[in-house]
Amino acid sequence: GENVEQHPSTLSVQEGDSAVIKCTYSDSASNYFPWYKQELGKRPQLIIDIRSNVGEKKDQRIAVTLNKTAKHFSLHITETQPEDSAVYFCAASIGNTGNQFYFGTGTSLTVIP
Amino acid sequence: GAVVSQHPSWVICKSGTSVKIECRSLDFQATTMFWYRQFPKQSLMLMATSNEGSKATYEQGVEKDKFLINHASLTLSTLTVTSAHPEDSSFYICSALQVGRSQPQHFGDGTRLSIL
Repeated sequence: GENVEQHPSTLSVQEGDSAVIKCTYSDSASNYFPWYKQELGKRPQLIIDIRSNVGEKKDQRIAVTLNKTAKHFSLHITETQPEDSAVYFCAASIGNTGNQFYFGTGTSLTVIP
Repeated sequence: GAVVSQHPSWVICKSGTSVKIECRSLDFQATTMFWYRQFPKQSLMLMATSNEGSKATYEQGVEKDKFLINHASLTLSTLTVTSAHPEDSSFYICSALQVGRSQPQHFGDGTRLSIL
């Protein structure tokens, strides 16, 4: 199956700075890449996603970039705020073979006020 | 919209007990639901894919006789952990795909299972 790696595992930034989280995937057939934010003991919440026919997508302070050739995608959070502190997971999915998500190992982001 | 309800949210039981967890799509129909397990400070690991009216597809290493999945309707899937042991203690989360859509998955709130 798909193997998704995520780095870094922990990230601390000062409030207002940018945060970048990177993921790589193994299966070139993967065509959908969501990012989830999860607070302790709660459900993962979709924050942004990108499909393989797009190289970049932005939603206010959050952006995702995708490099299909290199099989990696990144999450960029600008002007970080304390409420951005959470665990972030990337995932990869092959949409036409069951839509299963394979999650990365997670990044614990701490935004220091 | 696209609300997924999971029940119970927390369960504590003795070793050897079987525990059933329900996953319901409240305002949409879901032909496909997924079950994940998450250990503390770890990622979500896909356990199985549940399709309405057919047998679930289990990921490698997941015992199908241990984790029984039933998806009898378009709004309900159940996961039964049979003869649970302390090592089965974990956070179990389901997600659902709306009929006719390939993405995104809508997640439930999860069930914290503690086996004594």
